[in-house]
Amino acid sequence: DIQMTQSPSTLSASVGDRVTITCRASQFINSHLAWFQQKPGRAPKLLIYKTSTLESGVPSRFSGSGSGTEFTLTISSLQPDDFARYYCQQYDSYTWTFGQGTRVETK
Amino acid sequence: QMQLQESGPGLVKPSETLSLMCTVSGGSINSRSYHWGWIRQAPVKGLEWIGNIYSSGSTYYNPSLKSRVTISADMSKNQFSLKVISVTAADTAVYYCARITITSTGWIAFDIWGQGTMVTVSS
Repeated sequence: DIQMTQSPSTLSASVGDRVTITCRASQFINSHLAWFQQKPGRAPKLLIYKTSTLESGVPSRFSGSGSGTEFTLTISSLQPDDFARYYCQQYDSYTWTFGQGTRVETK
Repeated sequence: QMQLQESGPGLVKPSETLSLMCTVSGGSINSRSYHWGWIRQAPVKGLEWIGNIYSSGSTYYNPSLKSRVTISADMSKNQFSLKVISVTAADTAVYYCARITITSTGWIAFDIWGQGTMVTVSS
C-alpha cells in the first residue's frame, strides 16, 4: 500500500503569512495527488487535483506543486477563511490513501 | 449541479451489518464520466478511504477493510451503496460518499461530496 505522510501535523500562522504543507508518498505516484480542505462539521472540499490543477472556484492564493513522491500545498497569503484542516490524497494505484492531515491554526 | 446524499441508520449494533446508500441527483451514476467512492472519518480522526466503484462495475477496497466491505450500484435508482459486515465500535464514523470525475486529461478525485452521515456502533 502507498502511505502518505503529511507535515507538519499542526501549523500556527497569522493572516497574511505564506503557508506550506508537505506531503510525501512512500512510492512514486506520478502526478496523482489531490489536496482537500475541511472545516469542522463539514465535508472535505477539493482544492487541487493532479498535483497542481486548481479546482474551479478555488482562490488563486492556493497552489500545488511537486512530483514523484514529494508534494506541497502553498497558501500565498493566509486569509481568515483558510484556518482549517488540510489533507493530501494519492489516487495513483487502485487503492487510495489520505495523509493524516495538517491543522492550520491561528498563531 | 450534481448532488450526493447519504442515507441509512445512525445506530448499528456490534457484530451487525452497516448499510448506507448514496443517492445521486442532477446526473446519472451510469455515466462513463464518473466513478464513485466512500470515505469515512472517525471522531476527531483523519479521512479514511473505504473503496471505489467504477462505471464498469469494478470495485476496489481499502485492504484493511476489504474482507468486510461491499460497494454496489443500483442504476435504476441512481444510487450506490456501502455494506460493512461484523461492525465494531471502531467503525463508528461519519461516512461520506463522493464523485470521481473522468476527463480527457485524467481523473479528478472526489470533486463532489455528500454532506456525510454519522454512524454509531453501540449496543
